[in-house]
Amino acid sequence: GEDVEQSLFLSVREGDSSVINCTYTDSSSTYLYWYKQEPGAGLQLLTYIFSNMDMKQDQRLTVLLNKKDKHLSLRIADTQTGDSAIYFCAESTVVTGNQFYFGTGTSLTVIP
Amino acid sequence: NAGVTQTPKFQVLKTGQSMTLQCAQDMNHEYMSWYRQDPGMGLRLIHYSVGAGITDQGEVPNGYNVSRSTTEDFPLRLLSAAPSQTSVYFCASSPGLAGYEQYFGPGTRLTVT
Repeated sequence: GEDVEQSLFLSVREGDSSVINCTYTDSSSTYLYWYKQEPGAGLQLLTYIFSNMDMKQDQRLTVLLNKKDKHLSLRIADTQTGDSAIYFCAESTVVTGNQFYFGTGTSLTVIP
Repeated sequence: NAGVTQTPKFQVLKTGQSMTLQCAQDMNHEYMSWYRQDPGMGLRLIHYSVGAGITDQGEVPNGYNVSRSTTEDFPLRLLSAAPSQTSVYFCASSPGLAGYEQYFGPGTRLTVT
């Protein structure tokens, strides 16, 4: 499968910004996604970006895509304790259709 | 809508036993998938289906079988359970190809002793 890499852990203080990073290898990736997994639950889509975009903003979330470096980041502004969860980066391409490739997940801990 | 439902939530099996993990969705989605989640490895695709009667292998299909007789249901069968199949299993569905959101079930935590 494709390689999608993330750092495993991140801790931030409540109110600070969090930045979660992801690198991928497939240069033909069409869509890149951020999913959130809360303890004991399935994954929920947070946001996604099409590969011809550089940035997408949605309330407290900002996604940045550097296609040249194959680097995707998720910034969460004013991080709250409810943001503590595992965040997964994923990619898919038109070529692979419904095949998603997920990163290892980054466990975000928000310290009150 | 109930979304994507999975049963059971927890299961313990002995090596060599067989069982079926159930998955159902009520959103009339054509695409359904099974993933396993292991620590430090993210989610890996086991099998997927693009419609009733059509299934295909994902990244880690060995030891698992699937079928898709209806749009709603996509069961995953473990034919002879092995300790390496201890994992959390997620079923997902989506209405279309890349660019569509995948909706995940709550997961089944399986332990094989």
